[in-house]
Amino acid sequence: AQSVSQHNHHVILSEAASLELGCNYSYGGTVNLFWYVQYPGQHLQLLLKYFSGDPLVKGIKGFEAEFIKSKFSFNLRKPSVQWSDTAEYFCAVTTSGTYKYIFGTGTRLKVLA
Amino acid sequence: GAVVSQHPSRVICKSGTSVKIECRSLDFQATTMFWYRQFPKQSLMLMATSNEGSKATYEQGVEKDKFLINHASLTLSTLTVTSAHPEDSSFYICSARVIGYNSPLHFGNGTRLTVT
Repeated sequence: AQSVSQHNHHVILSEAASLELGCNYSYGGTVNLFWYVQYPGQHLQLLLKYFSGDPLVKGIKGFEAEFIKSKFSFNLRKPSVQWSDTAEYFCAVTTSGTYKYIFGTGTRLKVLA
Repeated sequence: GAVVSQHPSRVICKSGTSVKIECRSLDFQATTMFWYRQFPKQSLMLMATSNEGSKATYEQGVEKDKFLINHASLTLSTLTVTSAHPEDSSFYICSARVIGYNSPLHFGNGTRLTVT
């Protein structure tokens, strides 16, 4: 069965620090990859997505993610975090031809001002 | 952008009663809506896929008779937790997308259900 792993459950950073959140999936076929963010008290929002093409995807608010097929990974990065990036981040995968999203367990990021 | 409205945001009910949660797509038509359940420190678990005008497709292990899903229009899906028990207490989230399996999901704010 397909699965998504997010190894970092809690991350605490100071402002201006660089961020990388890991996401690995298990599926051998074609995948679509997503990062969603949930700010405190708000609903999940799409941060960025990868369907095909350039494996380096840029999203909103300065976030980017790189799809490395050989490593089954789609790590999220941001060069310099801000206090407002404090949120929970979810990696998600859909597989070719299906409607089902499979989510990782989420990473709770806290940025200290 | 696409907005999904979920109501209520919080509900407390007594054991044995039923609770209905509504999920509306406000500015787009959602042929497919999804209902998730989220336990503390765990991932979103897909409960069922709701298709407008047809029966919902439930994931393995989800009781169809306990979690009734109705998708009567292209903008509304409801989840009714019947004969609720304390173990049904959880965070329920609906999501919707426009046609096409590549479309991103748009999420509601979720409903915190507490069964006493």
